[in-house]
Amino acid sequence: GQQVMQIPQYQHVQEGEDFTTYCNSSTTLSNIQWYKQRPGGHPVFLIQLVKSGEVKKQKRLTFQFGEAKKNSSLHITATQTTDVGTYFCAGLSSLETSYDKVIFGPGTSLSVIP
Amino acid sequence: GAGVSQSPRYKVTKRGQDVALRCDPISGHVSLYWYRQALGQGPEFLTYFNYEAQQDKSGLPNDRFSAERPEGSISTLTIQRTEQRDSAMYRCASSLAGYEQYFGPGTRLTVT
Repeated sequence: GQQVMQIPQYQHVQEGEDFTTYCNSSTTLSNIQWYKQRPGGHPVFLIQLVKSGEVKKQKRLTFQFGEAKKNSSLHITATQTTDVGTYFCAGLSSLETSYDKVIFGPGTSLSVIP
Repeated sequence: GAGVSQSPRYKVTKRGQDVALRCDPISGHVSLYWYRQALGQGPEFLTYFNYEAQQDKSGLPNDRFSAERPEGSISTLTIQRTEQRDSAMYRCASSLAGYEQYFGPGTRLTVT
């Protein structure tokens, strides 16, 4: 079945440094979503990417969908303590007949040292 | 309601007992999902519904797990003859089909 991997598993950065997490799928994706989960909270939707090579920005966050639609990345510029949390990618496989079934990656946990 | 609600928020049960976890999605959301999330892991897909139809239940671990959404709104995830390995956070999410998912606060299940 479809597998979604993320690296790194953990990342500790000094406040102000940049941060990047990478997401890789074993199958081609129809779309990919990113979620953020604060400690003790629930996943909250950030963005959805659909097109090959698509790049979207939200303030200090930049999301990219790979040309082959099998990988994605999230880059945060100049991290702040409010960025702390776990970032999950969730992919919908183009091979999946259940067209709404997304598979979540294991997440990258970000710690920001003030 | 303003968001997805789940009840109970915490459930402690003894091994062998049955439990029913409830999810009340955002009004008008077609799709409803059930996930299980272990500490430090991503949400693990269990099953999902479009309206009242269960579209995919391939993630249910075994036949002790079942889910229903009889009127296309509230859903119940039932675990029969609970085992300690069933202890986890169970999360429900709802969405307009194909779009972002809105997660509920989860039910923390502990089987003793």
